[in-house]
Amino acid sequence: DQQVKQNSPSLSVQEGRISILNCDYTNSMFDYFLWYKKYPAEGPTFLISISSIKDKNEDGRFTVFLNKSAKHLSLHIVPSQPGDSAVYFCAANLDYKLSFGAGTTVTVRA
Amino acid sequence: DVKVTQSSRYLVKRTGEKVFLECVQDMDHENMFWYRQDPGLGLRLIYFSYDVKMKEKGDIPEGYSVSREKKERFSLILESASTNQTSMYLCASKQGAAGELFFGEGSRLTVL
Repeated sequence: DQQVKQNSPSLSVQEGRISILNCDYTNSMFDYFLWYKKYPAEGPTFLISISSIKDKNEDGRFTVFLNKSAKHLSLHIVPSQPGDSAVYFCAANLDYKLSFGAGTTVTVRA
Repeated sequence: DVKVTQSSRYLVKRTGEKVFLECVQDMDHENMFWYRQDPGLGLRLIYFSYDVKMKEKGDIPEGYSVSREKKERFSLILESASTNQTSMYLCASKQGAAGELFFGEGSRLTVL
């Protein structure tokens, strides 16, 4: 049973606009959440993270929001750039292990 | 920079063959992991290791085994490869309980 879910398999956004990626989880014991970005034929690379005791973390164009009561987190990318076209994975940490969502493929249109 | 190196980027094997996937990390991390990535399923944890000679099953360990004889090296073994093990295999490492995983570039395995 998947504990981390990304219900949107794909997202298309125009260059310069905001990309919003969503992620839901079921286990309230997760203590840390992360977003990874993956290009084809490469390993995932870390993008941004947030502790379960916070509700927002910002790093340049990337902001992650955490709503613990709803068990929901989101990643905002502003402004979206062509190089942001990739698969984005949401992940949640518990006891050393990361559980991943199925991923959302983002396509940034020129 | 942390570097996680997977020995083979692409492999083609036949059903029933024994397959070894090797992974080495250079940052003295305690914890190492093997995931597989499949379309629509994301990354699923096969096995992980929190110390030399220690291992724990992940979510999908069936058909796989692992070996960690040295801290920097973590091997994934397919005892008898099957077509449903065709996948992208990703090795990762990290230090401590929380924090980010550092991934290798992946090994694309095709079982015919």
